[in-house]
Amino acid sequence: QSALTQPASVSGSPGQSITISCTGTSSDVGGYNYVSWYQRHPGKAPKLLIYEVSNRPSGVSNRFSGSKSGNTASLTISGLQAEDEADYYCSSYTSSSLLGVFGGGTKLTVL
Amino acid sequence: EVQLVESGGGLVQPGGSLRLSCAASGFTFSNYAMHWVRQAPGKGPESLSAISSDGGSTFYANSVKGRFTVSRDDSKNTLYLQMGSLRADDMAVYYCARFSTPYIATAGTLDYWGQGTLVTVSS
Repeated sequence: QSALTQPASVSGSPGQSITISCTGTSSDVGGYNYVSWYQRHPGKAPKLLIYEVSNRPSGVSNRFSGSKSGNTASLTISGLQAEDEADYYCSSYTSSSLLGVFGGGTKLTVL
Repeated sequence: EVQLVESGGGLVQPGGSLRLSCAASGFTFSNYAMHWVRQAPGKGPESLSAISSDGGSTFYANSVKGRFTVSRDDSKNTLYLQMGSLRADDMAVYYCARFSTPYIATAGTLDYWGQGTLVTVSS
């Protein structure tokens, strides 16, 4: 069982917005502003979408946004596109390990 | 362009050993700490080990401590993971990932990942 809890799946239609949650504790998500989100298409390298809760690396579409409230972080994807269909993972710095912790992943289906 | 390319995965018997490599390019390898992360089927990723930019500090997950060893050769821009006493639950796709700082004992981000190499443990 992963340390951070994500919904197993979410779905949305093209053009809609969806939000993926990532729930941890005060020892990880709630205690630090080092939450990251990754996108992984099958057979491809995971891609960093969001770092430090809400920052986007250069080249990442502004349709992707991150936020945090208490022990729960969220990734919102607006204007869903077919190419957004992928697995999404959150991770966080944690006080209990130098290696960080990950969520179990959320499969996004674009209907 | 930052590139990380893993190799060395394959089929190994329980109790066996394997060495994974990760060839880095497109950035100054010696300036960054690196991680090995694995993902077993149907599970979330798990970071297994980290090594500082100078190789002087390493850290391991409890699940692999004493069985796996991380190292790096900055002259070859290559990261390694020596895996021993392999078990069925070590079966996973193994990724190398760049950490955003030179140090492992600070908060940071895994900002670039390779495509992974599959390790299968079976008799």
